[in-house]
Amino acid sequence: KAGVTQTPRYLIKTRGQQVTLSCSPISGHRSVSWYQQTPGQGLQFLFEYFSETQRNKGNFPGRFSGRQFSNSRSEMNVSTLELGDSALYLCASSPEGAGGYGYTFGSGTRLTVV
Amino acid sequence: QQQVKQSPQSLIVQKGGISIINCAYENTAFDYFPWYQQFPGKGPALLIAIRPDVSEKKEGRFTISFNKSAKQFSLHIMDSQPGDSATYFCAASKRGTASKLTFGTGTRLQVTL
Repeated sequence: KAGVTQTPRYLIKTRGQQVTLSCSPISGHRSVSWYQQTPGQGLQFLFEYFSETQRNKGNFPGRFSGRQFSNSRSEMNVSTLELGDSALYLCASSPEGAGGYGYTFGSGTRLTVV
Repeated sequence: QQQVKQSPQSLIVQKGGISIINCAYENTAFDYFPWYQQFPGKGPALLIAIRPDVSEKKEGRFTISFNKSAKQFSLHIMDSQPGDSATYFCAASKRGTASKLTFGTGTRLQVTL
């Protein structure tokens, strides 16, 4: 059974650019959540998608957005990148997503903003 | 009221010893408490989880102890092995749709020979 696949694994972008990260969940999982991991702030919730609808959103600026497709694959987008956006972005999928139960995380996308 | 406090920040344990990591939460609505293990270059992996209707859960060498009145829970790793060297995160959430995991700040465990 394939796990959660995140692409790309590494990314270097310049301040002001935008970036799109992709997440393919485990087959049959309908919920996809995104987290940002940094040494200073730890793991922080960005948003959750379920059946193509954003069901929950964390305290991040509007530059962070996402979407989910009918096959449950999800993308997140960060516009007007800032140095502080450098982080490991993790995607987690689960069958239903309720309460974070049954999360399986991908290995993440390491974003570096220069 | 969403915070989860984790300690210690780092821990060094000898092989065969017991590793203990503690977490405290504030939100009494939390009803799911998982622990995650993360190796460098990997995403967190679920280790063990507990719900507040039990005070202890054991899976192999890993045990969660839960104290509802004190709003604290801890992870015990018995017979710690070098392969257990990783960062451990506690987390909490409340059941239901549209919820999320609130993570502790992590504990870097090093098990020495």
